[in-house]
Amino acid sequence: NAGVTQTPKFQVLKTGQSMTLQCAQDMNHNSMYWYRQDPGMGLRLIYYSASEGTTDKGEVPNGYNVSRLNKREFSLRLESAAPSQTSVYFCASTGMGVSTDTQYFGPGTRLTVL
Amino acid sequence: GDSVTQMEGPVTLSEEAFLTINCTYTATGYPSLFWYVQYPGEGLQLLLKATKADDKGSNKGFEATYRKETTSFHLEKGSVQVSDSAVYFCALSGGGFKTIFGAGTRLFVKA
Repeated sequence: NAGVTQTPKFQVLKTGQSMTLQCAQDMNHNSMYWYRQDPGMGLRLIYYSASEGTTDKGEVPNGYNVSRLNKREFSLRLESAAPSQTSVYFCASTGMGVSTDTQYFGPGTRLTVL
Repeated sequence: GDSVTQMEGPVTLSEEAFLTINCTYTATGYPSLFWYVQYPGEGLQLLLKATKADDKGSNKGFEATYRKETTSFHLEKGSVQVSDSAVYFCALSGGGFKTIFGAGTRLFVKA
């Protein structure tokens, strides 16, 4: 049981390049999330998917797109990277029952945009 | 809207010292409250939670009590270890699909 996995762990892009961050969970969770973490700002929600087939904007969605490929996978795409998108990106999921609102996080992707 | 405010860091303590990290919140209704911990180079992981007023969450020697009258959820540990060095995040969930996180407090514990 790997929990939440993310690829890649590190990435360097040039301004204007595109890339997709991958996330998968093996806990049969319904809801998945993408956050960015910047110094002194905690975690900010980019997009979330309440269930398979649905996606919604979070606090900072501009410059990003997402795809809920199936129940396990939720990807984040940067179409034209900008230096302001340099950050650490975390994927998370929430399950069912009494732990519905406990978030389970992946190890993160450290992205630098030059 | 809902918000979480926690004390700024870094907090530097000697091993075996007492730890308090303050957290207050603003929310409508009756949210669940959480403390998450992030070790260097890793993602966040749940440390403890409380789902209703006067509940005490505890784990690994850490405790926090849900105080509705003061809208607080302060994290405490009686004797910290070097291995407790990490960033601690207070968070709340109002029962929907969004969790609100505080800015995080970095803890350094010296041997």
